[in-house]
Amino acid sequence: EDQVTQSPEALRLQEGESSSLNCSYTVSGLRGLFWYRQDPGKGPEFLFTLYSAGEEKEKERLKATLTKKESFLHITAPKPEDSATYLCAVQAGGGNKLTFGTGTQLKVEL
Amino acid sequence: SAVISQKPSRDICQRGTSLTIQCQVDSQVTMMFWYRQQPGQSLTLIATANQGSEATYESGFVIDKFPISRPNLTFSTLTVSNMSPEDSSIYLCSVEEARSEAFFGQGTRLTVV
Repeated sequence: EDQVTQSPEALRLQEGESSSLNCSYTVSGLRGLFWYRQDPGKGPEFLFTLYSAGEEKEKERLKATLTKKESFLHITAPKPEDSATYLCAVQAGGGNKLTFGTGTQLKVEL
Repeated sequence: SAVISQKPSRDICQRGTSLTIQCQVDSQVTMMFWYRQQPGQSLTLIATANQGSEATYESGFVIDKFPISRPNLTFSTLTVSNMSPEDSSIYLCSVEEARSEAFFGQGTRLTVV
C-alpha cells in the first residue's frame, strides 16, 4: 500500500526565515509526486509535479526537489501570504489515484 | 487549468437525510474524482467517475452510501446518503489534466447534526 508521510506537522517561521518541508513516500512504481497548497476553507491548489529523482521545479519562493525516497519543498524568504497547509501526494502503479500525506501547516509571522 | 465549481459550498444536514453535491467543470474531462477530507486528516479518494460507466469505488466506500452520477463530460454529482455525524467532512471534486496533474474544486463543507 502506498504511504506518504509529511513532516513537520506544523511549522512557524519568521518572515524571511527560509526552511524546508519534507515528504517521504513508499510506493511501487512512482508515476508522479505532487505538491499542493491549501488555504482554510478552500480546495487544494496545484503547485508542482515531479516525475523522476533529481528533478527540481521552482515557482516564486518555492522550490520542490525529488529523490527516490522523499521530496522537499524549500521555501526561501517566506512572507505571511505563504501561510497555508502544504500537501504532498503520490501517484503510483497503473491507476490515477492520488495518495495524500496529512500536510504541513505553515505559519509565517511578521 | 480547468475551472471547477462545486455546489453547495457548505451545508448543515440532519442525520438520516441525504445531500447531493454537484461538480461542474468548464471543459470536457474524461475522469472526475471525488475525495473526502475529514477534520484534521488528509484527502482520501472515494471514487472515480467516468462518463458512461459505473463509478469505481475505493476500499471502504460503497455505492449505496455514496452514489455518483456522471451524465456528461463536464458534470458529476456525489450523494451522501443516510448521513450520520461521522460523515461530517469536506467533499472535494477533482479532475485530471495533462501529465496527471489534478485540480480541485473549492469543496463542500458538510456538517451532520
